[in-house]
Amino acid sequence: GAVVSQHPSRVICKSGTSVKIECRSLDFQATTMFWYRQFPKQSLMLMATSNEGSKATYEQGVEKDKFLINHASLTLSTLTVTSAHPEDSSFYICSARRMDRSQNTGELFFGEGSRLTVL
Amino acid sequence: DQQVKQNSPSLSVQEGRISILNCDYTNSMFDYFLWYKKYPAEGPTFLISISSIKDKNEDGRFTVFLNKSAKHLSLHIVPSQPGDSAVYFCAASAGTGRRALTFGSGTRLQVQP
Repeated sequence: GAVVSQHPSRVICKSGTSVKIECRSLDFQATTMFWYRQFPKQSLMLMATSNEGSKATYEQGVEKDKFLINHASLTLSTLTVTSAHPEDSSFYICSARRMDRSQNTGELFFGEGSRLTVL
Repeated sequence: DQQVKQNSPSLSVQEGRISILNCDYTNSMFDYFLWYKKYPAEGPTFLISISSIKDKNEDGRFTVFLNKSAKHLSLHIVPSQPGDSAVYFCAASAGTGRRALTFGSGTRLQVQP
């Protein structure tokens, strides 16, 4: 089956530093990847849609200058949390839509998630 | 405004019995619905889906029912197993192609041995 991998799975950083999270589709190409965030006991909230070769589309209320998204290739999207603060501590999950399979079904394949803790 | 709602935050069921997880939605443009299972500190894994042109889809122990007029869907797990204990998310999308999913808040299922 399709595999989407995230790295790192856990990261602890100091307030004011930047953290980069990678999302890779391992056995398929993904022109579109999605970044979600989940706070404890809450739903997964879409942050942004990452489009290969173009700018990401951010959801309302998500600061694009704070959450930098780069989708430089068909298998890699990165999310950089800049100048992180404790309130950015959350579980970040990426997902990718496999073009040749889930294009018409809506199914997304999810990464393992990255837990960010900002001290 | 929550477009996908899971009103039961938790559910406890005895092993071997049926688990029924419910989901309601408000956006009439949604035409594809999915259920995901999630363990703590892991990404969601796909379980089963249903298109709006159907009212039932079955896959092994999992069956999803869709009632479009009521904007309601449910996931039935029978028989329930302790390994089914997890958080279950209902999700929906509108249209095909590069659409993101809108998730419900999840229901934590605990299957008692």
